Amino acid sequence: GAVVSQHPSWVICKSGTSVKIECRSLDFQATTMFWYRQFPKQSLMLMATSNEGSKATYEQGVEKDKFLINHASLTLSTLTVTSAHPEDSSFYICSARDRSTENQPQHFGDGTRLSIL
Amino acid sequence: AQTVTQSQPEMSVQEAETVTLSCTYDTSESDYYLFWYKQPPSRQMILVIRQEAYKQQNATENRFSVNFQKAAKSFSLKISDSQLGDAAMYFCAYSTWEEGSEKLVFGKGTKLTVNP
Repeated sequence: GAVVSQHPSWVICKSGTSVKIECRSLDFQATTMFWYRQFPKQSLMLMATSNEGSKATYEQGVEKDKFLINHASLTLSTLTVTSAHPEDSSFYICSARDRSTENQPQHFGDGTRLSIL
Repeated sequence: AQTVTQSQPEMSVQEAETVTLSCTYDTSESDYYLFWYKQPPSRQMILVIRQEAYKQQNATENRFSVNFQKAAKSFSLKISDSQLGDAAMYFCAYSTWEEGSEKLVFGKGTKLTVNP
């Protein structure tokens, strides 16, 4: 089945640093990838939609300059949390849609747990 | 805007028994998808079942089935013969297309406990 790999799975860093999270579709091509954030004991909230070769579409309230998204190829999207602060600590999950199978569900990665000290 | 409501923050069931998780949603559209996702402690999102709104027949996947009531905008999940491995957070989700882009909206989740 379709596999989405997310790396790293857990990262701890100091306040003020930038952190990059990778989302890869391993056995399919994804023109569209999605980034979600999940705070403890809460639901997933869509942050942005990443389209290969174009600018990401951000949801209302999500800072574009804070959460940089790059989707340079059909198998890789990256989310960079710039100048991270403790309030950015959360679980970040990506998902991807197989461009060859329309109307199929998104495939989710295993998530990245980000802890900012 | 579309919303998804799960009114049961927590549910519990005895092993081998049946449990139903509730979900309602709000939309003005006629064509959309509905999903139930399972999130165990590992936090991986696992698709349990999917329903297409234009299909009247309720979806089933082994021990999992849904009761889809389009007019009432209700989409409940029934788990039969509950197993210990079913314990997890369950999220109901609604999918639609807006301005050429897909949006997946999740409910707040129901924590299911399975008692041995």
